[in-house]
Amino acid sequence: AQSVSQHNHHVILSEAASLELGCNYSYGGTVNLFWYVQYPGQHLQLLLKYFSGDPLVKGIKGFEAEFIKSKFSFNLRKPSVQWSDTAEYFCAVIKNAGNMLTFGGGTRLMVKP
Amino acid sequence: EPEVTQTPSHQVTQMGQEVILHCVPISNHLYFYWYRQILGQKVEFLVSFYNNEISEKSEIFDDQFSVERPDGSNFTLKIRSTKLEDSAMYFCASSETSGAPGEQFFGPGTRLTVL
Repeated sequence: AQSVSQHNHHVILSEAASLELGCNYSYGGTVNLFWYVQYPGQHLQLLLKYFSGDPLVKGIKGFEAEFIKSKFSFNLRKPSVQWSDTAEYFCAVIKNAGNMLTFGGGTRLMVKP
Repeated sequence: EPEVTQTPSHQVTQMGQEVILHCVPISNHLYFYWYRQILGQKVEFLVSFYNNEISEKSEIFDDQFSVERPDGSNFTLKIRSTKLEDSAMYFCASSETSGAPGEQFFGPGTRLTVL
């Protein structure tokens, strides 16, 4: 069965710092990869997704992620975080042609103003 | 922008009681999902639903659970006899298409507390 690991459970950064959140998955077949964000009191929203093509994908709000197939990784990055990026971030995978999203445990990001 | 809505936002029930959680998916979406998140744990897939039948379900989705699309807009999750361990946040989601590239849009969740 596929699984997703997010190694950072809590991250605290100051505004303008760079962000990288790790995500690794275990599944040998073709997968599609997602990062979701949950702002305080709000529902899960899609930040970005990778299906095929360029392994560097850009999402909303200046976020990007790089799919490295050989490392089974899909790390999320942002060069300069803002206080409004304070949220919980979830990495998720779905098997190609499947319906079931498998989530990582989430990373709580706090950005200090 | 269209959104998935869920009601109630918080449901408190006694162990052994039946609960029905309600979801209104985005109107032109054809695929519907339920996920849950027990406090402090991962978001877990429960079930997917398409064309009035379950298309995929997890081990969690046992005989105590059922889903229904009673009309053209609602999608419900029923738990027949709730247990303490059913306490969790339940998320509904919908998508226009299946799998890739079908992005799943999530509702705000219903927090279920079983006493």
